[in-house]
Amino acid sequence: DQQVKQNSPSLSVQEGRISILNCDYTNSMFDYFLWYKKYPAEGPTFLISISSIKDKNEDGRFTVFLNKSAKHLSLHIVPSQPGDSAVYFCAARATSGTYKYIFGTGTRLKVLA
Amino acid sequence: DSGVTQTPKHLITATGQRVTLRCSPRSGDLSVYWYQQSLDQGLQFLIHYYNGEERAKGNILERFSAQQFPDLHSELNLSSLELGDSALYFCASSGVGNEKLFFGSGTQLSVL
Repeated sequence: DQQVKQNSPSLSVQEGRISILNCDYTNSMFDYFLWYKKYPAEGPTFLISISSIKDKNEDGRFTVFLNKSAKHLSLHIVPSQPGDSAVYFCAARATSGTYKYIFGTGTRLKVLA
Repeated sequence: DSGVTQTPKHLITATGQRVTLRCSPRSGDLSVYWYQQSLDQGLQFLIHYYNGEERAKGNILERFSAQQFPDLHSELNLSSLELGDSALYFCASSGVGNEKLFFGSGTQLSVL
């Protein structure tokens, strides 16, 4: 049972444009969400997070939006840069309980120069 | 550098064998998580330890086991290896009051 889903395996965007990566979840107990970026031969690195008490969190070029009613979150990158080309994973956690971080299958973003 | 150290970086072994993957968390972090990433798959949660105690189990096979030692380093033991166990194994750590996971660079396991 895949509780966190990233339905787009890949995405190509022109440099300077907006990249939008999507993530859906099924477990209503999830209340903390994170995005990670992964380059080849490296471990995932933290990008941005959002708590369920918010619907938006911004950090520089990166903004995460959370729609709790739709159980959907998205990551916006504006403007996209070639160095943003990587695999992006969303993750979710329930604060109560076992503190498991559940990851999606990832979206490979390619930013074209 | 995340501060999380995983060894070895690469491991090649044969079916039926047993291997041990090692993880040293960031200084002061009490939690260690293990994840498996197979080809074209996401990060599958295996197990979580907090200060030496197992806290949560994911889709971890019975042939796999883990432990966290008093110095907080952790080991993931994989036995009776099968071809399908070939994957990248990541360890991550987090600290008290820190919501983020910090990942090591992974161990690439190849079972031939």
